[in-house]
Amino acid sequence: KAGVTQTPRYLIKTRGQQVTLSCSPISGHRSVSWYQQTPGQGLQFLFEYFSETQRNKGNFPGRFSGRQFSNSRSEMNVSTLELGDSALYLCASRDDGQGQTTTNEKLFFGSGTQLSVL
Amino acid sequence: QQQVKQSPQSLIVQKGGISIINCAYENTAFDYFPWYQQFPGKGPALLIAIRPDVSEKKEGRFTISFNKSAKQFSLHIMDSQPGDSATYFCAASREGGTSYGKLTFGQGTILTVHP
Repeated sequence: KAGVTQTPRYLIKTRGQQVTLSCSPISGHRSVSWYQQTPGQGLQFLFEYFSETQRNKGNFPGRFSGRQFSNSRSEMNVSTLELGDSALYLCASRDDGQGQTTTNEKLFFGSGTQLSVL
Repeated sequence: QQQVKQSPQSLIVQKGGISIINCAYENTAFDYFPWYQQFPGKGPALLIAIRPDVSEKKEGRFTISFNKSAKQFSLHIMDSQPGDSATYFCAASREGGTSYGKLTFGQGTILTVHP
């Protein structure tokens, strides 16, 4: 199976712009989570989607949003970019088997999208 | 509020030595404790995980020790190899299908293993 795919790999934007990042989960995985990674704050949870619905949300402002499509692919959007939004954005998928207990806790991460805001 | 504290920030060991990374958590609702390994340019990859009903779990050269009363857990890497040089993150989440996607991570430990 192919792993979690994130596009684009690198992105450069200027303050005030908006950006959309894409994530294709492992085939069959229906849960997709997004994380922000920075040297200062480490890895922080943004939100999780399951069956096109946001299931969990972290402590980020409303400028950060996401969605999930019927094929489980997910996008996250950041509007009105700020310098502090520069980070590696990671997507992770999980086989939320709804009753299966063997592997449904394991998160599989993509390589991320490196966003630089100038 | 940092709910998972990890130490040390960086660690240097010689090839063949033991690497030990420690984590402490505050939220007693946490019930699942994974460790992730991250190489430069890659996303984190699950290394090993434990639940509080056991005090130790071993997979190859990697062992997690868990102390529920102290709310602490640690990763031991035996016979450390240069290929183990990476950043290691401890994490925690509540148990349950709706919670596993929301991990709280420690700040990370940069491990360097010298040949």
